[in-house]
Amino acid sequence: GQNIDQPTEMTATEGAIVQINCTYQTSGFNGLFWYQQHAGEAPTFLSYNVLDGLEEKGRFSSFLSRSKGYSYLLLKELQMKDSASYLCAVMDSNYQLIWGAGTKLIIKP
Amino acid sequence: GAVVSQHPSRVICKSGTSVKIECRSLDFQATTMFWYRQFPKQSLMLMATSNEGSKATYEQGVEKDKFLINHASLTLSTLTVTSAHPEDSSFYICSARVVASGDFGTQYFGPGTRLLVL
Repeated sequence: GQNIDQPTEMTATEGAIVQINCTYQTSGFNGLFWYQQHAGEAPTFLSYNVLDGLEEKGRFSSFLSRSKGYSYLLLKELQMKDSASYLCAVMDSNYQLIWGAGTKLIIKP
Repeated sequence: GAVVSQHPSRVICKSGTSVKIECRSLDFQATTMFWYRQFPKQSLMLMATSNEGSKATYEQGVEKDKFLINHASLTLSTLTVTSAHPEDSSFYICSARVVASGDFGTQYFGPGTRLLVL
């Protein structure tokens, strides 16, 4: 079966760095997405990785290792507004998105 | 770019009535749109995949006669919840997949529709 694993919840301190991991097992691979979802709102697109390596976009970076079936989202200089759920999703061989359950990130002052 | 709108944002209806939700891609053409449902504190659940000009593909356990999907154009898909019941109360979110050079597969989400059935 297809499976996306990410931690249920993480806590970090304002100004610090946090890494949210995602491991996957899917039938085929056409890229991995990270989305941010604030409570009561729809997800917003953060990043897309299809090749191995690190993609940096401001305070957020996303890493992919296809051989390990592993990705992480790195958030630097955490702000209170970063408190949200972070969803990892993999596009399989049928170009369908397989969603993880999301990681709820709690930022403390 | 890649803006998706959804209307209405919130609806309250009586049990037994039907509710239509519209999803529009405002600045791009979307051959494929997706409908999700999300209950409080739970993850997104894909309900159906909607392709322009063809019948929607429903996920297992989703009743196609209850959740009618129409994708009449490259910028509009509608979801109609027929004979809504309180258990249908949820957050319904649509997304549209961009089909453009260099951006294959990214789904952009509408703001969601919160449905409350009394």
